[in-house]
Amino acid sequence: DAGVIQSPRHEVTEMGQEVTLRCKPISGHNSLFWYRQTMMRGLELLIYFNNNVPIDDSGMPEDRFSAKMPNASFSTLKIQPSEPRDSAVYFCASSFSSGGQYNEQFFGPGTRLTVL
Amino acid sequence: GNSVTQMEGPVTLSEEAFLTINCTYTATGYPSLFWYVQYPGEGLQLLLKATKADDKGSNKGFEATYRKETTSFHLEKGSVQVSDSAVYFCALSDSTTSYDKVIFGPGTSLSVIP
Repeated sequence: DAGVIQSPRHEVTEMGQEVTLRCKPISGHNSLFWYRQTMMRGLELLIYFNNNVPIDDSGMPEDRFSAKMPNASFSTLKIQPSEPRDSAVYFCASSFSSGGQYNEQFFGPGTRLTVL
Repeated sequence: GNSVTQMEGPVTLSEEAFLTINCTYTATGYPSLFWYVQYPGEGLQLLLKATKADDKGSNKGFEATYRKETTSFHLEKGSVQVSDSAVYFCALSDSTTSYDKVIFGPGTSLSVIP
């Protein structure tokens, strides 16, 4: 079992550049989550998908952020244009959501983004 | 709204010491409660959970009891090891919003020294 796979693990870019983070969820899982972790704000849920459909994107900070899930095995989080305040660790997590109860979320190793 | 409060860290303990990390919550419905752990350089992992009042979750020597009367879910371990050094997150999910939408506390960093 490969677990949740994220790429790249580290990204350093300059302000104004486009950044794309990638996630492959665990096979068979039908929910996918994008989180951002910073010292100041802790762990924040940005958006989550169920069966490839965005369910709640209220945590997306602004229009510069967008997320897609074109199929059950792949999702992207894009920041365009990037700003220094976007520097953080971005986690992807997945779960099998059956409704009516909590289902454990499995986290990837994260992508550490630094915007200069 | 729903929220989770944890004791501030960092917490530094000697090996074999007793650990308590306090967690209290606010929720509109009947939440499920969790402790997640994050080891250095890794993502979060579910450590234990409790889904209703008076339930006790346990795993790897860690325990936490769901106390509805005090809205608390304190994490305890009788004898910590160096390998327990990590960041610990208290969290909840609430059926009135969505079971999938987990609210995490700020995390408590634990360092165990030999």
